[in-house]
Amino acid sequence: EAQVTQNPRYLITVTGKKLTVTCSQNMNHEYMSWYRQDPGLGLRQIYYSMNVEVTDKGDVPEGYKVSRKEKRNFPLILESPSPNQTSLYFCASSTGKRTEAFFGQGTRLTVV
Amino acid sequence: AQSVAQPEDQVNVAEGNPLTVKCTYSVSGNPYLFWYVQYPNRGLQFLLKYITGDNLVKGSYGFEAEFNKSQTSFHLKKPSALVSDSALYFCAVSGLGGYQKVTFGTGTKLQVIP
Repeated sequence: EAQVTQNPRYLITVTGKKLTVTCSQNMNHEYMSWYRQDPGLGLRQIYYSMNVEVTDKGDVPEGYKVSRKEKRNFPLILESPSPNQTSLYFCASSTGKRTEAFFGQGTRLTVV
Repeated sequence: AQSVAQPEDQVNVAEGNPLTVKCTYSVSGNPYLFWYVQYPNRGLQFLLKYITGDNLVKGSYGFEAEFNKSQTSFHLKKPSALVSDSALYFCAVSGLGGYQKVTFGTGTKLQVIP
């Protein structure tokens, strides 16, 4: 089954403790993105990747890092999480800007 | 810069009535426009897209959207609403300038009343 898999689905952590949210897709898509969803703000793009080793900032990249060492994986790294990064995070993949994105199930992160 | 506006936070419609969820956009050049739906505790699911061609786009679950270039709008429509259509709907735009700078609207909650 074609899918985008994020882990973990739920995470509660403390301020400053580094964490990684994993994202993997099995569709051989070139393009992958990370979004955060906040009430009243919709989805905002954090980072995106056009291919292996090619990444770029979205609208809200501060406090986040990404890497794309393999085509299927696109982890999101929070090196020093802060409470304002409490949010619902989505990973997505697609074959290009003209094509629809496939979204993961989401990761609900709480930073206390 | 590109942007998307969904002017209604919530739309209420009676089951069986037609529904419209509004979206307007701003982008340089020709837009690529998308509608996604989000059910509770789920990721977003693709409904339909406009790339080029016919201004009326048909998508999943009986939804369609009308592209209007002069009004820079891409409203989502359905002739007869179902209770199961109740969800959060997002409009998104991708324009020129490389992949895949995608901008989403703030979302519209659709409530279909039995």
